[in-house]
Amino acid sequence: GQNIDQPTEMTATEGAIVQINCTYQTSGFNGLFWYQQHAGEAPTFLSYNVLDGLEEKGRFSSFLSRSKGYSYLLLKELQMKDSASYLCAFLGGNYQLIWGAGTKLIIKP
Amino acid sequence: IAGITQAPTSQILAAGRRMTLRCTQDMRHNAMYWYRQDLGLGLRLIHYSNTAGTTGKGEVPDGYSVSRANTDDFPLTLASAVPSQTSVYFCASSDSAGSSTDTQYFGPGTRLTVL
Repeated sequence: GQNIDQPTEMTATEGAIVQINCTYQTSGFNGLFWYQQHAGEAPTFLSYNVLDGLEEKGRFSSFLSRSKGYSYLLLKELQMKDSASYLCAFLGGNYQLIWGAGTKLIIKP
Repeated sequence: IAGITQAPTSQILAAGRRMTLRCTQDMRHNAMYWYRQDLGLGLRLIHYSNTAGTTGKGEVPDGYSVSRANTDDFPLTLASAVPSQTSVYFCASSDSAGSSTDTQYFGPGTRLTVL
């Protein structure tokens, strides 16, 4: 079967670094996405990984290990505006996205 | 308009009523999707369309129908609403489907309450 898991909630301090983990199981894999969703708003695209390794994009980086079924999103120099839910999703063998329930990130001053 | 628009923004509906949620995109994307988002659950795919004139069933299609008469519009219809269809509904689009670099872009959502 297919499943995906990420922590429900995390708390971090403004200016710090936080890592949000995502694990998945699937027989077919065509990449992993991270989206950001502020409360009451639509998800917006952050990153995409299809090969193992780290993709860096400004303050945000995303890592993938296909053999371990594992990804993480790394947020540096946290700002209050980073308070949001972070959704991880993998593209399965049928090219449909399977979504995690999201990690709510709370930033404290 | 730019991107994806959805209407209405929110709606309260009596059980048993018929309701159509509208979705329009101006990016000339081939693929479109309807998701529902419920607290504690990930986004779940209801129906999708890889190109105008074709549609397919997602993970939770029961009680919903869609049509794709043209590239821009992808309405979602609840034939006879039930309280379990209370949710936030997101429409999304992508340039193509079946591609590993397929990024989906989301509309602002419709918050639907069925009483």
